Amino acid sequence: NAGVTQTPKFRVLKTGQSMTLLCAQDMNHEYMYWYRQDPGMGLRLIHYSVGEGTTAKGEVPDGYNVSRLKKQNFLLGLESAAPSQTSVYFCASSRPQAGYTQYFGPGTRLTVL
Amino acid sequence: AQTVTQSQPEMSVQEAETVTLSCTYDTSENNYYLFWYKQPPSRQMILVIRQEAYKQQNATENRFSVNFQKAAKSFSLKISDSQLGDTAMYFCAFMVSNTNAGKSTFGDGTTLTVKP
Repeated sequence: NAGVTQTPKFRVLKTGQSMTLLCAQDMNHEYMYWYRQDPGMGLRLIHYSVGEGTTAKGEVPDGYNVSRLKKQNFLLGLESAAPSQTSVYFCASSRPQAGYTQYFGPGTRLTVL
Repeated sequence: AQTVTQSQPEMSVQEAETVTLSCTYDTSENNYYLFWYKQPPSRQMILVIRQEAYKQQNATENRFSVNFQKAAKSFSLKISDSQLGDTAMYFCAFMVSNTNAGKSTFGDGTTLTVKP
C-alpha cells in the first residue's frame, strides 16, 4: 500500500496563477483533510471531506476550493494564488474504525511569487 | 472551540536519556481522543501514540508513554532511552469523539533534538 500520496511535491507559482494539488489514498478511508503548515505553527485545517461528493470548510478556507469526486481522491484548488498562500500543504485521511488516527501525505511545498 | 498548547517550542536531550514534552488542552467535552504525532526532517507525519479520554490507563508504545491527567487537561509525552532517530517536531492533537468528522486541533509543535 502506498498510503497517502500527494502530487506535486514542489511548485512555484506567480501571483494570480491557478493550480490543483492532488491527494490520493489507497486505505479506503472515509475522511480526508487538507492542512497548511507555516513556519513555527501547527497544522491549520483548510477543508475536509466525510465522504465521496461531500466537502466542508475548515479553519482557513478562504482562497481555496476542494472536490472529492472519488472516495480515494481529494483535490485542493487555488484559483488565483497569492503570496500569503506560500506554505507547505499536507493531505491526510482517517476512518472511525481506526480510532480516527490521521495518515499523512509527504506534503507539497508551494511558493507564490 | 478547543485549543491545544505546547509550551516548549524547542527541546534537546542527550542520546539514551529521557525527555518529557508537555501539552495542555482546553475543552468542555467529556469524550475525546488525544494524539502525539511525529514529523521528522523528511516531513511525513506519523502517529506516535493515542489516548482515549475514557481510559484511565496511560497509553504506552515501546519507548513512548503518556501522562494523561484529565482533570488538569494535560497530556505529556515521555520518550525513554532517546535515540538519534527521535529528532523531529512533535505535535499534540485533540479530537472530539464521534461528532466532528475526525477533525483534530493541533498544537504549534515542539522541536526535539537528540544529541549524540
